[in-house]
Amino acid sequence: DAGITQSPRHKVTETGTPVTLRCHQTENHRYMYWYRQDPGHGLRLIHYSYGVKDTDKGEVSDGYSVSRSKTEDFLLTLESATSSQTSVYFCAISESQIQETQYFGPGTRLLVL
Amino acid sequence: GQQVMQIPQYQHVQEGEDFTTYCNSSTTLSNIQWYKQRPGGHPVFLIQLVKSGEVKKQKRLTFQFGEAKKNSSLHITATQTTDVGTYFCAGASGNTGKLIFGQGTTLQVKP
Repeated sequence: DAGITQSPRHKVTETGTPVTLRCHQTENHRYMYWYRQDPGHGLRLIHYSYGVKDTDKGEVSDGYSVSRSKTEDFLLTLESATSSQTSVYFCAISESQIQETQYFGPGTRLLVL
Repeated sequence: GQQVMQIPQYQHVQEGEDFTTYCNSSTTLSNIQWYKQRPGGHPVFLIQLVKSGEVKKQKRLTFQFGEAKKNSSLHITATQTTDVGTYFCAGASGNTGKLIFGQGTTLQVKP
């Protein structure tokens, strides 16, 4: 497996609180992605990054922000968590092109009460 | 926007039976990728198809890319319990290059 870790792996939080998920890679890949996975919806792209400080929105970006201050770290922040953001969040990386093979992290299970 | 539809959503088969999942895009794709996610796990890359009409095999798995580069299929011959999981197709948009994932097909295999 590619060197991708996510933290925390599980989190329970309350509606209205801020939450930050971290993705860390040791592969020096250019592209990093955040997806959410929900039953019946597959994997939906939230945001992605194509370099340090370079990010762009995906198809379900509302309520989420991201930051990438170092090549190896990509943070996903829920500014004020809502119950609709209860999901499994996956980070992924690809080497140098956006359409290349993606390697996924182990995922973070987030429950917003 | 671009959509990638995958059918069926669920499939239950007896061990030894064949299985096929289909993927259709609303737009022409530059490539299509297939991933497998075991229960409780993360998606793992299986294969990428790039050429129109391309067919690739991995042991009991056969992958096809349509002539118009808008559809694809994954066929598993003689399923085994180790094939259990969710299979996702992901199409790369010819315009943006972004990968759009299908909803996935969850395969259950009864021993």
